[in-house]
Amino acid sequence: GAGVSQTPSNKVTEKGKYVELRCDPISGHTALYWYRQSLGQGPEFLIYFQGTGAADDSGLPNDRFFAVRPEGSVSTLKIQRTERGDSAVYLCASSLGGVNTEAFFGQGTRLTVV
Amino acid sequence: AQSVTQLDSQVPVFEEAPVELRCNYSSSVSVYLFWYVQYPNQGLQLLLKYLSGSTLVKGINGFEAEFNKSQTSFHLRKPSVHISDTAEYFCAVSGKGAQKLVFGQGTRLTINP
Repeated sequence: GAGVSQTPSNKVTEKGKYVELRCDPISGHTALYWYRQSLGQGPEFLIYFQGTGAADDSGLPNDRFFAVRPEGSVSTLKIQRTERGDSAVYLCASSLGGVNTEAFFGQGTRLTVV
Repeated sequence: AQSVTQLDSQVPVFEEAPVELRCNYSSSVSVYLFWYVQYPNQGLQLLLKYLSGSTLVKGINGFEAEFNKSQTSFHLRKPSVHISDTAEYFCAVSGKGAQKLVFGQGTRLTINP
């Protein structure tokens, strides 16, 4: 595609519910990243995939958060038992991989837990 | 580990005036440095990056930044701003060889006519 696509753009869910956020990276990009941006803050790293495998998941805040990328393209961020503190904009980015390549960001999914 | 401090949360300037957005970082290893811009209702877009070589880096839309290793700074500058530069600007750092970015809290640049 032309850019990184994230769906839905907005998601409102009740506390305790399960949510899935989807990221469709730029075609051919092997690296994929998830970040979380809380109100008034900069993006915070969650997890990085190289191909199908999670190369670095050190930013996932706890075991309620999980992400997959089964075919090395689309990724899904899954949040179980959502809490109000999970409310944020979840950003996805992709790149060709390698340390010098630019990461392209999607517009994000705004998650609101009520 | 790395951290980034953007010293100003908001910077108001008049159109056609110069602007400097300040960024300081800390790291125990060598780093790459980045500036991203986020226009209203859009995703983050790379403005410029420092990987190695010349410490003065030029980016898109007339922006430039200078890497100062002794002061651990990477300030962003533009000699003359336009209304269209109104946006949130984020400084970011990654350790050399690392993939993840560590972002600052952002600076909101507001251009007044």
